[in-house]
Amino acid sequence: AQKITQTQPGMFVQEKEAVTLDCTYDTSDQSYGLFWYKQPSSGEMIFLIYQGSYDEQNATEGRYSLNFQKARKSANLVISASQLGDSAMYFCAMRVAFGGRRALTFGSGTRLQVQP
Amino acid sequence: EPEVTQTPSHQVTQMGQEVILRCVPISNHLYFYWYRQILGQKVEFLVSFYNNEISEKSEIFDDQFSVERPDGSNFTLKIRSTKLEDSAMYFCASRDSNQPQHFGDGTRLSIL
Repeated sequence: AQKITQTQPGMFVQEKEAVTLDCTYDTSDQSYGLFWYKQPSSGEMIFLIYQGSYDEQNATEGRYSLNFQKARKSANLVISASQLGDSAMYFCAMRVAFGGRRALTFGSGTRLQVQP
Repeated sequence: EPEVTQTPSHQVTQMGQEVILRCVPISNHLYFYWYRQILGQKVEFLVSFYNNEISEKSEIFDDQFSVERPDGSNFTLKIRSTKLEDSAMYFCASRDSNQPQHFGDGTRLSIL
């Protein structure tokens, strides 16, 4: 069974600074996808970025990038130039292609607070 | 941009009553999901649905739960006899092949 671990329950960052949110995963499947979602206080789940296990380049989407280290089984989210609106819960999730659970398995989340 | 829509946004129900949560997935998507999030906890998978049948379900998805796609657009989650511990935010999600799941805004279910 796959597992996602987010070891940082809460993080603080100054506005305009970069922040890294940690995510490690465990799976025996060779083909999988890693996702990050943002959940503001209003409760909705917003897709941010995706990394496939066979992608050689780290994924980037605007101010979001994913630091994918396959050998270490980590998929950290980097947010550059933090904004006040980035304050939210951030969830790392995984989906495997074969066997296991093909729906998303989520980590416990990291609450990010951006300070002015 | 197309969205997953969920209704109602908040449902308050007496314990033991049946409740139906409704979702309209994005129109060309083929895979549908229900997740729940108990307050302050992680998002948990309930069930996935493809080609008009359940493709996978978690241990949470017991006989009290059922899903249906009654027409070409709606996807519903029914809880037959609600318990206090069913209080949670319920998210519907959908995706196309090899694409990320897109989530609705959720239905907050409160069981009294």
